Amino acid sequence: NAGVTQTPKFRILKIGQSMTLQCTQDMNHNYMYWYRQDPGMGLKLIYYSVGAGITDKGEVPNGYNVSRSTTEDFPLRLELAAPSQTSVYFCASSPTGYYGYTFGSGTRLTVV
Amino acid sequence: AQTVTQSQPEMSVQEAETVTLSCTYDTSESDYYLFWYKQPPSRQMILVIRQEAYKQQNATENRFSVNFQKAAKSFSLKISDSQLGDAAMYFCAYRSAVGGSQGNLIFGKGTKLSVKP
Repeated sequence: NAGVTQTPKFRILKIGQSMTLQCTQDMNHNYMYWYRQDPGMGLKLIYYSVGAGITDKGEVPNGYNVSRSTTEDFPLRLELAAPSQTSVYFCASSPTGYYGYTFGSGTRLTVV
Repeated sequence: AQTVTQSQPEMSVQEAETVTLSCTYDTSESDYYLFWYKQPPSRQMILVIRQEAYKQQNATENRFSVNFQKAAKSFSLKISDSQLGDAAMYFCAYRSAVGGSQGNLIFGKGTKLSVKP
């Protein structure tokens, strides 16, 4: 049972480049989330999804986009990368709204 | 909007001693869940303990226990018999149980715990 798998683990982007952070879960969870973690700031919600075909913005969505075509996959797209997007990104999933999350191992992204 | 506050950016404890990490939250809701997550240097987020607001009994998981004071909106984590492996960042988190809330976790800024041998 792999849980939540995020790829890549590390990435360096140049300003203006685009990339997709991949997230896959094999637990048949309906709820999926993307957070970013900045030093001393805790985790901030970027986007979330309550099921295939349904996504919504979180607290810090600007500069990002998501899609949820299947229950398993929830990719996060960065368009026109900026230094402010340098962060650690976590994907997470949950079976319903009443349990804690299962987190992926995170992606450390640096924009230079 | 709900907020979670961890007032101790850093804490230190001697191995085998007991330490308590503080967390307060602000909400107008009566039904919710509270969590403590551990993040070791590996970066992996690990669920430590979960508390349902409607339960008066404090949750415990082995050496980890909470002191949940609903009226005071306080949710502290006690780690007994601290071990070197407990050294990590600890995050307190809130999750609404209101229908249609989507269940988003709201995190505090974290407390970095060091364990001295």
